[in-house]
Amino acid sequence: DTEVTQTPKHLVMGMTNKKSLKCEQHMGHRAMYWYKQKAKKPPELMFVYSYEKLSINESVPSRFSPECPNSSLLNLHLHALQPEDSALYLCASSQEGGRQDQPQHFGDGTRLSIL
Amino acid sequence: GESVGLHLPTLSVQEGDNSIINCAYSNSASDYFIWYKQESGKGPQFIIDIRSNMDKRQGQRVTVLLNKTVKHLSLQIAATQPGDSAVYFCAESSGGNKLTFGGGTRVLVKP
Repeated sequence: DTEVTQTPKHLVMGMTNKKSLKCEQHMGHRAMYWYKQKAKKPPELMFVYSYEKLSINESVPSRFSPECPNSSLLNLHLHALQPEDSALYLCASSQEGGRQDQPQHFGDGTRLSIL
Repeated sequence: GESVGLHLPTLSVQEGDNSIINCAYSNSASDYFIWYKQESGKGPQFIIDIRSNMDKRQGQRVTVLLNKTVKHLSLQIAATQPGDSAVYFCAESSGGNKLTFGGGTRVLVKP
């Protein structure tokens, strides 16, 4: 069982819908991440939050909007997505912000399908 | 190893044998390396990590070797079991919470 919890596990939405993905961790970690993973590919970094502040945005389209309400929660708001955005969206956390030498711990992801 | 196109490199190994999964990296400034295991329908699971001031680190049934001269990382799994069947990713970091993942290798354990 993972200590990073993601909801929902599966999501099907139309291109005009607005939905949100949620991620929660209670390990006291201060860095949180969103990744996108297509089939048979490695995870691709989207966003990094360090001490609840956005520290990295990997040139992600504005139809993806991250939010970090507190140190335990991370949301990804979705609006006007395209079919090519269908993928597994993974959340991860690590102990300290700004550190490169700590493992990231992943949730099991939200499988997103855009109709 | 690195994947090309739509097909993951696959390592088939007999149950009980040792497995070696290889990974090449290109950034000479990378100083932290990590291996993940990803089973179908799940997120990547941390296996073992190593810092660049080391060349070997051992865990339970796993060993990571780092050769900075040739920018090569390997994961050795001793006495491979059916539960080891998964996709394995190496990842590297050169700073600031950012990990760069390799293409992945699928390990299939034959009974």
